[in-house]
Amino acid sequence: GESVGLHLPTLSVQEGDNSIINCAYSNSASDYFIWYKQESGKGPQFIIDIRSNMDKRQGQRVTVLLNKTVKHLSLQIAATQPGDSAVYFCAENINDYKLSFGAGTTVTVRA
Amino acid sequence: NAGVTQTPKFQVLKTGQSMTLQCAQDMNHEYMSWYRQDPGMGLRLIHYSVGAGITDQGEVPNGYNVSRSTTEDFPLRLLSAAPSQTSVYFCASSYSSGVGGELFFGEGSRLTVL
Repeated sequence: GESVGLHLPTLSVQEGDNSIINCAYSNSASDYFIWYKQESGKGPQFIIDIRSNMDKRQGQRVTVLLNKTVKHLSLQIAATQPGDSAVYFCAENINDYKLSFGAGTTVTVRA
Repeated sequence: NAGVTQTPKFQVLKTGQSMTLQCAQDMNHEYMSWYRQDPGMGLRLIHYSVGAGITDQGEVPNGYNVSRSTTEDFPLRLLSAAPSQTSVYFCASSYSSGVGGELFFGEGSRLTVL
Protein backbone atom coordinates (compact mmCIF):
# COMPACT_ATOMS: atom_id res chain seq x y z
CA GLY A 1 0.00 0.00 0.00
CA GLU A 2 0.94 3.64 -0.10
CA SER A 3 3.15 4.99 2.62
CA VAL A 4 2.02 8.53 2.07
CA GLY A 5 -1.59 9.58 2.05
CA LEU A 6 -3.74 12.65 2.36
CA HIS A 7 -6.61 12.81 4.79
CA LEU A 8 -9.13 14.37 2.43
CA PRO A 9 -9.37 14.04 -1.35
CA THR A 10 -11.06 17.44 -1.74
CA LEU A 11 -11.02 20.78 0.02
CA SER A 12 -13.23 23.79 -0.73
CA VAL A 13 -12.07 27.12 0.68
CA GLN A 14 -13.33 30.69 0.49
CA GLU A 15 -11.04 33.14 -1.25
CA GLY A 16 -9.02 35.01 1.35
CA ASP A 17 -9.28 32.28 3.97
CA ASN A 18 -6.38 30.10 5.05
CA SER A 19 -6.16 26.53 3.72
CA ILE A 20 -4.77 23.54 5.55
CA ILE A 21 -3.97 20.37 3.64
CA ASN A 22 -3.05 17.32 5.65
CA CYS A 23 -0.92 14.29 4.91
CA ALA A 24 -0.07 11.19 6.91
CA TYR A 25 2.97 9.03 6.30
CA SER A 26 3.86 5.61 7.64
CA ASN A 27 7.62 5.30 7.07
CA SER A 28 9.27 6.53 10.25
CA ALA A 29 12.67 6.37 8.51
CA SER A 30 11.71 9.04 5.97
CA ASP A 31 13.80 12.15 6.45
CA TYR A 32 12.69 14.40 3.61
CA PHE A 33 9.21 15.58 2.64
CA ILE A 34 7.99 17.73 -0.22
CA TRP A 35 4.76 19.39 -1.29
CA TYR A 36 3.89 19.70 -4.97
CA LYS A 37 1.11 21.62 -6.71
CA GLN A 38 -0.41 20.38 -9.94
CA GLU A 39 -2.64 22.63 -12.02
CA SER A 40 -5.00 21.13 -14.55
CA GLY A 41 -3.19 19.78 -17.61
CA LYS A 42 0.26 20.52 -16.24
CA GLY A 43 3.05 18.70 -14.47
CA PRO A 44 3.56 18.99 -10.70
CA GLN A 45 5.47 22.01 -9.43
CA PHE A 46 7.59 22.11 -6.30
CA ILE A 47 6.13 24.24 -3.51
CA ILE A 48 8.19 23.65 -0.41
CA ASP A 49 10.19 20.95 1.33
CA ILE A 50 11.20 20.07 4.85
CA ARG A 51 13.74 17.75 6.40
CA SER A 52 13.04 15.63 9.44
CA ASN A 53 15.31 17.72 11.68
CA MET A 54 12.82 20.60 11.36
CA ASP A 55 9.26 21.06 12.63
CA LYS A 56 8.28 24.02 10.50
CA ARG A 57 9.38 25.76 7.37
CA GLN A 58 7.92 28.88 5.80
CA GLY A 59 7.84 30.08 2.23
CA GLN A 60 5.92 32.76 0.46
CA ARG A 61 2.31 32.39 1.77
CA VAL A 62 2.96 28.72 2.53
CA THR A 63 4.04 26.93 5.68
CA VAL A 64 4.82 23.25 6.08
CA LEU A 65 4.52 21.63 9.49
CA LEU A 66 6.02 18.26 10.36
CA ASN A 67 4.97 16.23 13.38
CA LYS A 68 7.20 13.19 13.53
CA THR A 69 5.53 11.84 16.65
CA VAL A 70 2.29 11.15 14.81
CA LYS A 71 3.84 11.02 11.33
CA HIS A 72 1.82 13.93 10.05
CA LEU A 73 2.62 16.62 7.54
CA SER A 74 0.54 19.67 6.68
CA LEU A 75 0.64 22.49 4.19
CA GLN A 76 -0.88 25.81 5.16
CA ILE A 77 -1.69 28.38 2.51
CA ALA A 78 -2.35 31.90 3.76
CA ALA A 79 -4.97 34.13 2.16
CA THR A 80 -5.96 31.56 -0.46
CA GLN A 81 -6.32 32.95 -3.97
CA PRO A 82 -8.11 31.60 -7.08
CA GLY A 83 -4.70 30.69 -8.51
CA ASP A 84 -4.23 28.26 -5.63
CA SER A 85 -6.92 25.97 -7.06
CA ALA A 86 -5.04 22.79 -7.93
CA VAL A 87 -4.23 19.29 -6.76
CA TYR A 88 -1.68 19.19 -3.94
CA PHE A 89 0.57 16.19 -3.36
CA CYS A 90 2.80 15.38 -0.45
CA ALA A 91 5.78 13.13 -1.05
CA GLU A 92 8.37 11.43 1.11
CA ASN A 93 11.71 9.95 0.22
CA ILE A 94 11.84 6.16 0.22
CA ASN A 95 15.59 6.37 -0.21
CA ASP A 96 18.04 8.77 -1.84
CA TYR A 97 16.57 8.16 -5.28
CA LYS A 98 12.90 7.45 -4.83
CA LEU A 99 9.97 9.56 -3.77
CA SER A 100 6.60 8.15 -2.73
CA PHE A 101 3.65 10.40 -3.55
CA GLY A 102 0.28 10.52 -1.87
CA ALA A 103 -2.98 10.41 -3.82
CA GLY A 104 -3.46 14.18 -3.71
CA THR A 105 -5.99 16.72 -2.41
CA THR A 106 -7.99 18.80 -4.86
CA VAL A 107 -8.33 22.36 -3.58
CA THR A 108 -11.13 24.52 -4.98
CA VAL A 109 -11.19 28.21 -4.14
CA ARG A 110 -14.65 29.81 -3.98
CA ALA A 111 -14.95 33.44 -5.03
CA ASN B 1 15.28 27.69 -21.28
CA ALA B 2 12.83 24.89 -22.11
CA GLY B 3 13.25 22.85 -18.90
CA VAL B 4 11.86 19.31 -19.27
CA THR B 5 10.28 18.58 -22.65
CA GLN B 6 8.11 15.53 -23.29
CA THR B 7 6.84 14.26 -26.63
CA PRO B 8 4.29 13.33 -27.73
CA LYS B 9 1.67 15.06 -25.57
CA PHE B 10 -1.05 12.64 -26.67
CA GLN B 11 -0.89 9.15 -28.14
CA VAL B 12 -3.38 6.38 -28.87
CA LEU B 13 -2.07 2.84 -29.28
CA LYS B 14 -3.57 -0.53 -29.96
CA THR B 15 -2.84 -3.42 -27.63
CA GLY B 16 0.48 -5.00 -28.52
CA GLN B 17 1.97 -2.00 -30.25
CA SER B 18 5.23 -0.52 -29.08
CA MET B 19 6.24 3.11 -28.75
CA THR B 20 8.73 5.44 -27.12
CA LEU B 21 7.94 8.46 -25.00
CA GLN B 22 10.67 11.03 -25.35
CA CYS B 23 12.03 13.18 -22.54
CA ALA B 24 14.74 15.81 -22.82
CA GLN B 25 16.04 18.35 -20.34
CA ASP B 26 18.38 21.26 -20.95
CA MET B 27 19.34 21.97 -17.34
CA ASN B 28 22.31 19.56 -17.20
CA HIS B 29 20.54 17.55 -14.51
CA GLU B 30 22.07 14.24 -13.50
CA TYR B 31 18.88 12.69 -12.06
CA MET B 32 15.96 11.86 -14.34
CA SER B 33 12.87 9.77 -13.72
CA TRP B 34 9.58 8.62 -15.18
CA TYR B 35 6.28 8.54 -13.30
CA ARG B 36 2.81 7.47 -14.25
CA GLN B 37 -0.26 9.16 -12.85
CA ASP B 38 -3.58 7.36 -12.52
CA PRO B 39 -6.78 8.75 -10.97
CA GLY B 40 -6.76 8.55 -7.17
CA MET B 41 -3.28 7.03 -7.04
CA GLY B 42 -0.89 9.93 -7.12
CA LEU B 43 2.35 9.45 -9.05
CA ARG B 44 4.18 6.15 -9.16
CA LEU B 45 7.82 5.83 -10.09
CA ILE B 46 8.52 3.65 -13.12
CA HIS B 47 12.28 4.00 -13.71
CA TYR B 48 14.98 6.47 -12.79
CA SER B 49 18.54 7.34 -13.71
CA VAL B 50 21.27 9.01 -11.67
CA GLY B 51 23.47 9.72 -14.67
CA ALA B 52 24.33 8.72 -18.22
CA GLY B 53 24.62 4.96 -18.50
CA ILE B 54 22.93 4.28 -15.16
CA THR B 55 19.28 3.29 -14.77
CA ASP B 56 17.27 1.50 -12.10
CA GLN B 57 13.74 0.33 -11.45
CA GLY B 58 11.08 2.16 -9.51
CA GLU B 59 7.79 0.91 -8.06
CA VAL B 60 6.08 -0.15 -11.30
CA PRO B 61 8.74 -1.05 -13.91
CA ASN B 62 7.05 -4.03 -15.61
CA GLY B 63 6.30 -3.46 -19.29
CA TYR B 64 8.67 -0.48 -19.59
CA ASN B 65 12.29 -0.07 -20.62
CA VAL B 66 14.59 2.92 -20.31
CA SER B 67 18.07 3.90 -21.36
CA ARG B 68 20.27 6.92 -20.65
CA SER B 69 22.88 7.37 -23.33
CA THR B 70 23.24 11.12 -22.75
CA THR B 71 22.70 13.45 -19.82
CA GLU B 72 19.92 15.26 -21.69
CA ASP B 73 17.68 12.41 -22.84
CA PHE B 74 15.77 9.70 -21.01
CA PRO B 75 13.32 7.86 -23.29
CA LEU B 76 10.68 5.47 -21.95
CA ARG B 77 9.82 2.48 -24.13
CA LEU B 78 6.61 0.48 -24.00
CA LEU B 79 7.47 -2.90 -25.49
CA SER B 80 3.97 -4.31 -26.00
CA ALA B 81 1.27 -1.88 -24.91
CA ALA B 82 -1.57 -3.09 -22.70
CA PRO B 83 -4.78 -1.30 -21.66
CA SER B 84 -3.41 -1.20 -18.09
CA GLN B 85 -0.75 1.19 -19.36
CA THR B 86 -3.34 3.82 -20.19
CA SER B 87 -2.17 6.71 -18.05
CA VAL B 88 -0.54 10.11 -17.98
CA TYR B 89 3.24 9.86 -17.96
CA PHE B 90 5.54 12.46 -16.46
CA CYS B 91 9.26 12.83 -16.84
CA ALA B 92 11.14 14.67 -14.11
CA SER B 93 14.71 15.77 -13.50
CA SER B 94 16.74 17.12 -10.63
CA TYR B 95 20.07 18.87 -10.33
CA SER B 96 21.09 16.63 -7.47
CA SER B 97 21.95 12.97 -7.82
CA GLY B 98 18.93 11.99 -5.76
CA VAL B 99 15.68 13.29 -4.38
CA GLY B 100 17.25 15.79 -2.04
CA GLY B 101 16.63 18.48 -4.58
CA GLU B 102 13.63 19.91 -6.35
CA LEU B 103 12.16 17.74 -9.10
CA PHE B 104 11.28 19.57 -12.31
CA PHE B 105 8.43 17.91 -14.19
CA GLY B 106 7.50 17.98 -17.83
CA GLU B 107 3.96 18.75 -19.02
CA GLY B 108 3.04 15.08 -19.34
CA SER B 109 2.21 12.59 -22.09
CA ARG B 110 -1.30 11.19 -22.12
CA LEU B 111 -1.36 7.63 -23.45
CA THR B 112 -4.47 5.61 -24.28
CA VAL B 113 -4.16 1.92 -25.11
CA LEU B 114 -7.20 0.38 -26.80
